[in-house]
Amino acid sequence: QKEVEQNSGPLSVPEGAIASLNCTYSDRGSQSFFWYRQYSGKSPELIMFIYSNGDKEDGRFTAQLNKASQYVSLLIRDSQPSDSATYLCAVALITQGGSEKLVFGKGTKLTVNP
Amino acid sequence: DAEITQSPRHKITETGRQVTLACHQTWNHNNMFWYRQDLGHGLRLIHYSYGVQDTNKGEVSDGYSVSRSNTEDLPLTLESAASSQTSVYFCASSRGIGTEAFFGQGTRLTVV
Repeated sequence: QKEVEQNSGPLSVPEGAIASLNCTYSDRGSQSFFWYRQYSGKSPELIMFIYSNGDKEDGRFTAQLNKASQYVSLLIRDSQPSDSATYLCAVALITQGGSEKLVFGKGTKLTVNP
Repeated sequence: DAEITQSPRHKITETGRQVTLACHQTWNHNNMFWYRQDLGHGLRLIHYSYGVQDTNKGEVSDGYSVSRSNTEDLPLTLESAASSQTSVYFCASSRGIGTEAFFGQGTRLTVV
């Protein structure tokens, strides 16, 4: 099983709709969870992070974490064409040596149609 | 402003040659990471470092090495470049455990 898995895309939604992106992870010891956005040809950039179970809202974005079920999701409300990008789920794992390993899923490509 | 820079941005090399990709950050971050990104595979971790003299293998470390002699730099070396190592390489750094990682601009490497 891959350490971090995302629902396969691509995902296409109309402008103004809610886009829902999902991610599961395998290591129950994971403590920190991130959502990055990557535009084509660009570097990933952080849009949300979440550490505790429940919801975290930031503008049109809501991250949801359920540690018991080992999944984290990202909701984008009122989707805009500018939200069209690949969304990467990342999980921080603490190794036995005390280092932090940041592992990414394959990403889900989102297209918002005007 | 603090930043993280990669060089070169583009590189073409021949099979069998040794290649070093540079990564330099001015945030004084402890954590540094190297990833490769290929279509259909997302970002895959090559090596990572928690601090000076600390290096660790990621999921796709074969054929790659890193060294961390200071806080600012984590160069990635391809010992003997292979066509399978043609990819876009990203370096990233973060302050500490569970904090945001910042990415460099990426290096597009082509092995011919």
